[in-house]
Amino acid sequence: QVQLQESGPGLVKPSETLSLTCTVSGGSISSNYWSWIRQPPGKGLEWIGYIYYSGSAKYNPSLKSRVAMSVDTSKNLFSLKLSSVTATDTAVYYCARGQGVATTPFQHWGHGTLVTVSS
Amino acid sequence: DIQMTQSPSTLSASVGDRVTITCRASQSISSWLAWYQQKPGKAPKLLIYQASSLETGVPSRFSGSGSGTEFTLTISSLQPDDFATYHCQQYDSYSLTFGGGTKVEIK
Repeated sequence: QVQLQESGPGLVKPSETLSLTCTVSGGSISSNYWSWIRQPPGKGLEWIGYIYYSGSAKYNPSLKSRVAMSVDTSKNLFSLKLSSVTATDTAVYYCARGQGVATTPFQHWGHGTLVTVSS
Repeated sequence: DIQMTQSPSTLSASVGDRVTITCRASQSISSWLAWYQQKPGKAPKLLIYQASSLETGVPSRFSGSGSGTEFTLTISSLQPDDFATYHCQQYDSYSLTFGGGTKVEIK
């Protein structure tokens, strides 16, 4: 059973770059699409984007100018960078995997990590 | 982007009640809709995909229906473990979107 685990700083200063990593265990990162999803406190879910194991990615248009994702197949992990953060980027960030295609429901989720943007 | 609108945003119900949650898409998404259950402090859990297919291990009291722009999630007999927030998600478009969520509370 595939497992995902997010890691990274829990506090980021305004205007800086948020960086998170998702480590995949129990399965290979190859041949699949891997997503980041976030949830501001008390609010709904927002898809940030996905990356294919080959490195090709697609991002939410509302975040596209600030988002970059990457994948490291040798370490079985993928990463998220979100630049120029503000308080509105405060959220629980989840990594997730779907059913092996780009447009997919998400069967596997990490536990989530809270990132707070504050000085 | 395809907008997903859930109603109601909050629902009060009792154990044993039949509960229905609605999700509307701003344009047709065929049957490319999923439903999730989320409990406080936990990640969402996939319940239903392709509008009406039950994910493995999900109790049969959960069911989904609909196509095009209107979808429903039904819990046939609400159990204590079902008090949670439910989210819909469309995956027809390459830009995936979720509804705002429906919180099912104890009446």
